[in-house]
Amino acid sequence: GQNIDQPTEMTATEGAIVQINCTYQTSGFNGLFWYQQHAGEAPTFLSYNVLDGLEEKGRFSSFLSRSKGYSYLLLKELQMKDSASYLCAVRDRSSASKIIFGSGTRLSIRP
Amino acid sequence: DVKVTQSSRYLVKRTGEKVFLECVQDMDHENMFWYRQDPGLGLRLIYFSYDVKMKEKGDIPEGYSVSREKKERFSLILESASTNQTSMYLCASTGESLAFFGQGTRLTVV
Repeated sequence: GQNIDQPTEMTATEGAIVQINCTYQTSGFNGLFWYQQHAGEAPTFLSYNVLDGLEEKGRFSSFLSRSKGYSYLLLKELQMKDSASYLCAVRDRSSASKIIFGSGTRLSIRP
Repeated sequence: DVKVTQSSRYLVKRTGEKVFLECVQDMDHENMFWYRQDPGLGLRLIYFSYDVKMKEKGDIPEGYSVSREKKERFSLILESASTNQTSMYLCASTGESLAFFGQGTRLTVV
């Protein structure tokens, strides 16, 4: 089966850096996604990692370690608009590319 | 511009009604998904499809069925709506390295 864990809530300060962790267990790993979701809206794509290492996209970076079943999303120079839920999702190769989501981390940014 | 379109943004249905939620994508993606999202429970997979007429159950298929007659369209069917199916329903479509969502349908069953 699959299992994805991420913290339920986090709080950070405007201008700071925050790291949101995600651990997963899957029978056939085929990529990991990070999504941002504002309240009442659909998730929007942030990043995709299939190989180990760090992928940087502006203020957001995503890291993957397949051997540890671990990923993190790093947000730099936090802005108030970054207050949202961040969803980690794993694609399972063994189930016709099924994508399973974690429960999400609600990030609150304080001034 | 990638588009995943869900037929309705808001729906109110009565208990026992048959409900159809439609999702259309224009990226020629093979994989399409239906999720529901509830507070504190995150996104839960109901059904997914990896090709026309092919479907697989997700984690919570009970009370739902799906139809994929054409590649671009994936329909979620509530055979007999119940109040515990009140939720936000999200359709997604995936390519090789991206997964795009529709805008969501907030369904209320009264």
